[in-house]
Amino acid sequence: GIQVEQSPPDLILQEGANSTLRCNFSDSVNNLQWFHQNPWGQLINLFYIPSGTKQNGRLSATTVATERYSLLYISSSQTTDSGVYFCAVEERGGADGLTFGKGTHLIIQP
Amino acid sequence: IAGITQAPTSQILAAGRRMTLRCTQDMRHNAMYWYRQDLGLGLRLIHYSNTAGTTGKGEVPDGYSVSRANTDDFPLTLASAVPSQTSVYFCASSVNLNTEAFFGQGTRLTVV
Repeated sequence: GIQVEQSPPDLILQEGANSTLRCNFSDSVNNLQWFHQNPWGQLINLFYIPSGTKQNGRLSATTVATERYSLLYISSSQTTDSGVYFCAVEERGGADGLTFGKGTHLIIQP
Repeated sequence: IAGITQAPTSQILAAGRRMTLRCTQDMRHNAMYWYRQDLGLGLRLIHYSNTAGTTGKGEVPDGYSVSRANTDDFPLTLASAVPSQTSVYFCASSVNLNTEAFFGQGTRLTVV
């Protein structure tokens, strides 16, 4: 099945800093999504982005499907951005359902 | 408020017991999914359903069964729980396969 690698695994930043999270995947995809899991365990869908670029406030994401990677940008970080960020993909022609990466654990310090 | 509701929120279960985790959505989504989340392993798909009346196996289906009698409900059953099924279980739904997924709040299950 498809492999999803996220980097870095852990990231500690000061409030106000910017960050870039990366997701590499091993095969063609129909579907790529970014999720934020907050410290209470809730999973929030940030972007549905199989290709192209999207922005939502301080967050933006870019997927380059032909090169099999996606980037999540967080600008002017706030403590509420802390948590784990997951990339998940659905392989084209493969099994149904999302395959998740292991996540990037982000800590924003005040 | 529209969304996905899971029950129970948490449960401690004796090994060998039968348990059904409930999931209900009111968004009229066709596709529903069950994932388990384990430390260091991320989320893994257990079973899914792309429409009422059909189900499919995910990456880790052994020891679990599902049914999809209607659009709204997608229960997950552990016929005879084992300690390795200790995990946090998330139900999710999407309009169809390959579309944006929305997750419930999770069920923390401990099998002792």
